[in-house]
Amino acid sequence: AQKVTQAQTEISVVEKEDVTLDCVYETRDTTYYLFWYKQPPSGELVFLIRRNSFDEQNEISGRYSWNFQKSTSSFNFTITASQVVDSAVYFCALLNRETSGSRLTFGEGTQLTVNP
Amino acid sequence: NAGVTQTPKFQVLKTGQSMTLQCAQDMNHEYMSWYRQDPGMGLRLIHYSVGAGITDQGEVPNGYNVSRSTTEDFPLRLLSAAPSQTSVYFCASRRRAQLTYGYTFGSGTRLTVV
Repeated sequence: AQKVTQAQTEISVVEKEDVTLDCVYETRDTTYYLFWYKQPPSGELVFLIRRNSFDEQNEISGRYSWNFQKSTSSFNFTITASQVVDSAVYFCALLNRETSGSRLTFGEGTQLTVNP
Repeated sequence: NAGVTQTPKFQVLKTGQSMTLQCAQDMNHEYMSWYRQDPGMGLRLIHYSVGAGITDQGEVPNGYNVSRSTTEDFPLRLLSAAPSQTSVYFCASRRRAQLTYGYTFGSGTRLTVV
């Protein structure tokens, strides 16, 4: 069975602070994919990044960076110099192999509030 | 290219009423899924389909029915709505051969059962 845990239910920061959102996952599969989605107040789900289980390189995209560590089953997301527009709910998700029904398992989400 | 289209965006039902949430995609994706989002619980899989004529249950299927007569459409039916089905519903799709790209999501349907 798959499980994704986002232990931080809510995080509040002041603009320009750095913030890290934690994600820990469980799976028995050796091939899997990890995702981060952003859900702004408007409600839609916005895809941010995907990572496959064979690629442990960290990635940086502008103010966003992701740290994938198989040894600790973690896929953490850092926002540098946060902005008010970053306020949203962020979801970490795990997609397993084809033969397992292709299920996308989500974490509980972290509500990030960036105050001016 | 419209992507994944969900209708309606908002709906209020009375307990016991039935309704169908519509989902359509124009990307020729084989895989389609329905999720519900509840506070503090993330998104949970209700039903999914790997192709026309094939459906299966997800994590929380009770109270919902689905069918997949065409590749494009994957409606979700509530036969007798209950207050516990108050939630935000998302439809998602992906191409079978493109596992790495994950799913494309619709904009959601906010359902309230009173």
